[in-house]
Amino acid sequence: DSGVTQTPKHLITATGQRVTLRCSPRSGDLSVYWYQQSLDQGLQFLIQYYNGEERAKGNILERFSAQQFPDLHSELNLSSLELGDSALYFCASSQAAGGPVEQYFGPGTRLTVT
Amino acid sequence: GQNIDQPTEMTATEGAIVQINCTYQTSGFNGLFWYQQHAGEAPTFLSYNVLDGLEEKGRFSSFLSRSKGYSYLLLKELQMKDSASYLCAVRHNQAGTALIFGKGTTLSVSS
Repeated sequence: DSGVTQTPKHLITATGQRVTLRCSPRSGDLSVYWYQQSLDQGLQFLIQYYNGEERAKGNILERFSAQQFPDLHSELNLSSLELGDSALYFCASSQAAGGPVEQYFGPGTRLTVT
Repeated sequence: GQNIDQPTEMTATEGAIVQINCTYQTSGFNGLFWYQQHAGEAPTFLSYNVLDGLEEKGRFSSFLSRSKGYSYLLLKELQMKDSASYLCAVRHNQAGTALIFGKGTTLSVSS
């Protein structure tokens, strides 16, 4: 158990819908990262927040957005869902925003778009 | 941008030694990570290299050559539970801590 929690574990929804994935980082960690893992693309970095502020952006689509709240939990919002958005979404956390830091991954949310 | 290459699949037998290679191209190198991921589970941290040379951690070792853009993960005394995907990753950029992952190498260990 990494100490990072994600809800829900599974999510099934239809194309065109909007969903929200939630992540709580390890106690004391200020950085939260979101990754998407699909079979053909591997693990892809989407976005990072540090202490409530956006820190880095990866391959995040405009239909996707995220935020980090004052209690440091984070939410990833996915809208206008397409079949290709079906994937495992991982949240990870670390203590710092810079330097060599290990990231701790949550168990993931499996999203299926039908 | 970054580019990371790893073999897609490897097979080995219990008790053997296996080496998983990773080559990378990055605009600003700032460390290389190895993660292990069992199917359907979260990646877990194995090792981190920022200087050239070998880092040993029990049955696992990781090597880095910055001039060659090359790393490998060495797994000794293989066990069935080592069957997993092994992901090589570099930093998203020099300042940040987000990681860019390779597509991973699926290792199958048989008895």
